[in-house]
Amino acid sequence: DVKVTQSSRYLVKRTGEKVFLECVQDMDHENMFWYRQDPGLGLRLIYFSYDVKMKEKGDIPEGYSVSREKKERFSLILESASTNQTSMYLCASSLQGEGYTFGSGTRLTVV
Amino acid sequence: DQQVKQNSPSLSVQEGRISILNCDYTNSMFDYFLWYKKYPAEGPTFLISISSIKDKNEDGRFTVFLNKSAKHLSLHIVPSQPGDSAVYFCAARATDSWGKLQFGAGTQVVVTP
Repeated sequence: DVKVTQSSRYLVKRTGEKVFLECVQDMDHENMFWYRQDPGLGLRLIYFSYDVKMKEKGDIPEGYSVSREKKERFSLILESASTNQTSMYLCASSLQGEGYTFGSGTRLTVV
Repeated sequence: DQQVKQNSPSLSVQEGRISILNCDYTNSMFDYFLWYKKYPAEGPTFLISISSIKDKNEDGRFTVFLNKSAKHLSLHIVPSQPGDSAVYFCAARATDSWGKLQFGAGTQVVVTP
């Protein structure tokens, strides 16, 4: 089975901190995605990557950046964390044209 | 503006009965639709999908129906079991979209004994 691993299950950070969320997949998938899940809003796409060093903005990229230096790793960076970035962050990967495999999620709280 | 809409935030159903979850979409370029199930503190897991060239797909207790003219799909769970209590997300993918999925807001299903 494809495994998508997110480095932290729970994080608490202070406003203004730079935050790194890491995601690793082990099945050589080309595509990787970062979503955030908020009540009543579902899953919203922040950024995605279809190849190493390639990245595309999703629907809500403001306040975030990403890095994909290796195929298996896709990092989400909060440049200066704010309270409105408190959320559940979900990483996913896929082969082209197929559905996603998600990680378990990182619950981030910004105080 | 959300292109995939799940207008029922919650659904309560008795064990053994049918659960029907609804999903509407606005983008006529969507050609593939999926349902994901999510338990608390876990990532969503794939449940069932349907291509736009079909109008029905069945997998065990789960059936997805697609009505393209109405831009509507539904998920039927028969019979409902307590382990089906979860949040269900409808998702859709457009042609030439790099595999990006657009998700609905989710429907919380509670199956009662």
